[in-house]
Amino acid sequence: DTAVSQTPKYLVTQMGNDKSIKCEQNLGHDTMYWYKQDSKKFLKIMFSYNNKELIINETVPNRFSPKSPDKAHLNLHINSLELGDSAVYFCASSQDNIPDEQYFGPGTRLTVT
Amino acid sequence: QKEVEQNSGPLSVPEGAIASLNCTYSDRGSQSFFWYRQYSGKSPELIMSIYSNGDKEDGRFTAQLNKASQYVSLLIRDSQPSDSATYLCAVNQAGTALIFGKGTTLSVSS
Repeated sequence: DTAVSQTPKYLVTQMGNDKSIKCEQNLGHDTMYWYKQDSKKFLKIMFSYNNKELIINETVPNRFSPKSPDKAHLNLHINSLELGDSAVYFCASSQDNIPDEQYFGPGTRLTVT
Repeated sequence: QKEVEQNSGPLSVPEGAIASLNCTYSDRGSQSFFWYRQYSGKSPELIMSIYSNGDKEDGRFTAQLNKASQYVSLLIRDSQPSDSATYLCAVNQAGTALIFGKGTTLSVSS
């Protein structure tokens, strides 16, 4: 009964490749998020979607493109991967479009070589 | 630039002691305040939320908020080795994103 799930858990790839990370939540929440946690453990918002609509788009390279096919899913596609993209990416969800209490997925550890 | 500041630690306390974790924030318009716990290699987990000045208690945890001083704290009573983790303070202003601090690492020794 996983509330927020992500796939894959680990992703190792080479510079220049394109990859996707998938997220699904079964909590019935309206809002989903992508966060990046770097090697210094700093957790920073990247994107937020509310009912399939982009709400927050922080200063992120346009190589990163979120897609929300429905309100239970939010995927992250990354083009032309760079070494600096190596991090843990967390998906999260919350009950409405106020970032109140968020529930995080297990994370995807991306390593770019 | 909205900022949330935490002492990175590590904060070391003996088992049974009170651990005190502190957080300051720069945006006076902030309305909601949260403490997340993150074990090594795991995802953040919400443990406390507080919205008004004063104290809020939940079991061994007490969150304290002082909006005039732009200060949030988390007290953990009777600290246990299982409390050893990184504690992330998060703040938001209505309609915007959660801003996280860099976390304080707590180590509880038995």
